[in-house]
Amino acid sequence: AQSVTQPDIHITVSEGASLELRCNYSYGATPYLFWYVQSPGQGLQLLLKYFSGDTLVQGIKGFEAEFKRSQSSFNLRKPSVHWSDAAEYFCAVGAPDDYKLSFGAGTTVTVRA
Amino acid sequence: DAGVTQSPTHLIKTRGQQVTLRCSPKSGHDTVSWYQQALGQGPQFIFQYYEEEERQRGNFPDRFSGHQFPNYSSELNVNALLLGDSALYLCASSLEIAINEQFFGPGTRLTVL
Repeated sequence: AQSVTQPDIHITVSEGASLELRCNYSYGATPYLFWYVQSPGQGLQLLLKYFSGDTLVQGIKGFEAEFKRSQSSFNLRKPSVHWSDAAEYFCAVGAPDDYKLSFGAGTTVTVRA
Repeated sequence: DAGVTQSPTHLIKTRGQQVTLRCSPKSGHDTVSWYQQALGQGPQFIFQYYEEEERQRGNFPDRFSGHQFPNYSSELNVNALLLGDSALYLCASSLEIAINEQFFGPGTRLTVL
């Protein structure tokens, strides 16, 4: 069964600085990988996804993520953070032979002025 | 284009009671999944419905049951509520042909007293 680890529980970043959130997955083959964002009291919004092909994927709100098979990682990046990026971020993994998504525990991002 | 909608937004119940949560999928979607998100954790898969049948279930007791209607909407029922059932319940919809690309609703916040 697939699983996800998000090593950072909480990250604080200054507005305008770059952001990188780490995600490591466990799955025997090439997984389907996702990043979702959740604002307080809200549902999950899909930022980007990777199924196959180009390992650098672009998403909404200026986010990108890179799939690295050798490191079993799918880290999320943003070059310049805005105050509105303060939220909780979840990495998730799916598989061709499975219907569910398995989520990490999330990383809370705080943006300071 | 309406996204995934859920009702009610909030719900307060007491231990031992039963609750029904409702979900309408994104227009054109035929598959509905339910997730439980406890405070400070990532969503956990409860089950998925397709063609009015439960086709995959996560590690949840039989107290959790569901239903999918011919119009693809879905209900989640929880019997004999426990304090530990307090959580945000998220509904996600997808297309059978893109089953892993799931779109989430805003959730129902259930509090069990």
